[in-house]
Amino acid sequence: DIQLTQSPSFLSASVGDRVTITCRASQDISTSLAWYQQKPGKAPNLLIYAASTLQSGVPSSFSGSGSGTEFTLTISSLQPEDFATYYCQQLNSFPYTFGQGTKLEIK
Amino acid sequence: EVQLVESGGGLVQPGGSLRLSCAASGFTFRSYCMNWVRQAPGKGLEWISYISNSEIIINYADSVKGRFTISRDNAKNSLYLQMNSLRAEDTAVYYCARRDCRRGNCQFDIWGQGTLVTVSS
Repeated sequence: DIQLTQSPSFLSASVGDRVTITCRASQDISTSLAWYQQKPGKAPNLLIYAASTLQSGVPSSFSGSGSGTEFTLTISSLQPEDFATYYCQQLNSFPYTFGQGTKLEIK
Repeated sequence: EVQLVESGGGLVQPGGSLRLSCAASGFTFRSYCMNWVRQAPGKGLEWISYISNSEIIINYADSVKGRFTISRDNAKNSLYLQMNSLRAEDTAVYYCARRDCRRGNCQFDIWGQGTLVTVSS
């Protein structure tokens, strides 16, 4: 199985900050990686697919990059609504594993 | 509106069974592969099962293999998850999710609101 390791697990930041979350895969997954945002009590919401393609309707402050085994999600300027938990997911092969999550909190 | 709505969750005793349903609307259900993902209280997301649009390919996570069965009825625009031999560790919110693939890359672009399954005596 492909393991995904996100770092950091917790991140404290302020409105207006630029933040980066990293997702490392245990083997090469090319660009078969998606990023999701989840708010408490809600279903996950797709942000980025194919490692770097912004899902329709997602603010351009979100961006993704990477290929192979190392990927990043960047939020260029944090807004109050961005404080949530973020997950990466690989869809290169079954089982479709998720990272353990990164909880982004207000400083 | 493109939508997935889960139902069928509830309280069940260890060793018991439960059948979850996911009703799809607003898109051509038979054209899409579907998945179940769960989230234990306070924990992360866990993919548990996949079914292709024509039911030819089915996959399960090791944690549910042999106990859970995924199925679909394209005529009814519905996805199902039959859960048997339930354990306390199966307690979670269960989400159905649509897999969309574009130019060789896939993602879960539509999710239901989730249904809570609690396994407890």
